[in-house]
Amino acid sequence: DIVMTQSQKFMSTSVGDRVSITCKASQNVRSAVVWYQQKPGQSPKALIYLASNRHTGVPDRFTGSGSGTDFTLTISNVQSEDLADYFCLQHWNYPYTFGGGTKLEMK
Amino acid sequence: QVQLLQSGPDLVRPGTSVKISCKASGYAFTNYWLGWIKQRPGHGLEWIGDTYPGSGNTYYNEKFKGKATLTADKSSSTAFMQLSSLTSEDSAVYFCARMSHYGMDYWGQGTSVTVSS
Repeated sequence: DIVMTQSQKFMSTSVGDRVSITCKASQNVRSAVVWYQQKPGQSPKALIYLASNRHTGVPDRFTGSGSGTDFTLTISNVQSEDLADYFCLQHWNYPYTFGGGTKLEMK
Repeated sequence: QVQLLQSGPDLVRPGTSVKISCKASGYAFTNYWLGWIKQRPGHGLEWIGDTYPGSGNTYYNEKFKGKATLTADKSSSTAFMQLSSLTSEDSAVYFCARMSHYGMDYWGQGTSVTVSS
């Protein structure tokens, strides 16, 4: 199975900051990576697909980059509503696998 | 708009089974894979498997073979997941999600399953 590693379990930020959340795949997954945001009691919301494409309606402060094994989700000008859990998903190979998640918290 | 509406929470006894439903609307149900995902606190998200309603083809994560059975009813645009021989390890929130070339793009609201005697 492909392991998706999000090494930062928690990240602290302030409104207006720029933060980067990383995800490393144990094998080459090309660009088959999705980034999700999840708030308490809600289902995950897709932000970025195919590593770098923003889903419809996602603010442009969310940017995805990377290919192969290293991926990054960058949030510029963090807003209070961005405090949430963020997960990466690889859908290149079965079984699809998720990163362990990064919780974005306020300093 | 695309919507996936899941069945309500379940409290079930150990050793029994539970069947969760996921009713799709707003898109061609038979043209997309429909996946199922398990989420437990401290265990992250796990992909259980997915099914293609148009053909009935199904793929399972090896970890969930024998535990989960995925089916779909084209006439009602509803997918189902049955979980058998339940234990406390099966207590979780289960999501269905539409699978496209862009990954799992739309998710249901989640169904909480609690296994307790």
